[in-house]
Amino acid sequence: EVQLVESGGGLVQPGGSLRLSCAASGFTFSSYAMSWVRQAPGKGLEWVSAISGSGGSTYYGDSVKGRFTISRDNSKNTLYLQMNSLRAEDTAVYYCAKDVGGYYGFSDYWGQGTLVTVSS
Amino acid sequence: EIVLTQSPGTLSLSPGERATLSCRASQSFRSSYLAWYQQKPGQAPRLLIYGASSRATGIPDRFSGSGSGTDFTLTISRLEPEDFAVYYCQQYGSSPRTFGQGTKVEIK
Repeated sequence: EVQLVESGGGLVQPGGSLRLSCAASGFTFSSYAMSWVRQAPGKGLEWVSAISGSGGSTYYGDSVKGRFTISRDNSKNTLYLQMNSLRAEDTAVYYCAKDVGGYYGFSDYWGQGTLVTVSS
Repeated sequence: EIVLTQSPGTLSLSPGERATLSCRASQSFRSSYLAWYQQKPGQAPRLLIYGASSRATGIPDRFSGSGSGTDFTLTISRLEPEDFAVYYCQQYGSSPRTFGQGTKVEIK
């Protein structure tokens, strides 16, 4: 059974940093691209970032480019999102998702999400 | 960036009725690289349809997807109580991936 468990969310001040983690199990982690998708309170879904199975290719949405860094440790079956220079508009539930088809692919399994709140 | 516009914003229907949800793209993208997700309050999204018309594993056959080019449709043939939720379309054929704003299917 595929399981994705996010952690690392919390309250952070504007301009601060936070690192999210996503522990994966139930599939061959290194064989799949992974993504982060976020959802602001009461709003829709926004794709944030994706990374190839090897970690050699990364992709970002314009709203986070230059501030967020996606990475993975295939030996630990864990996906990360380093978030710097956080802004109030980054407040959201952050989901990690397993992708099918690489970057031009869809997400077939999602974690339950971790809430990030950026506020002073 | 491709903008996906979903309509209607809210659909009020009774159990047993047919639901038809629309997703229109601002421009075309890689052929049929469109997915539909269902999200219930407090839960993560769940994949329903990929490739515009292929059902994901375990999805009942009352859910069907169709369309191509810039116009796509999700149909729920007969609404069950558990189908009342928000539905999102997503295109993954053009960078960056984008989502529609969602259609809420509520009980009438």
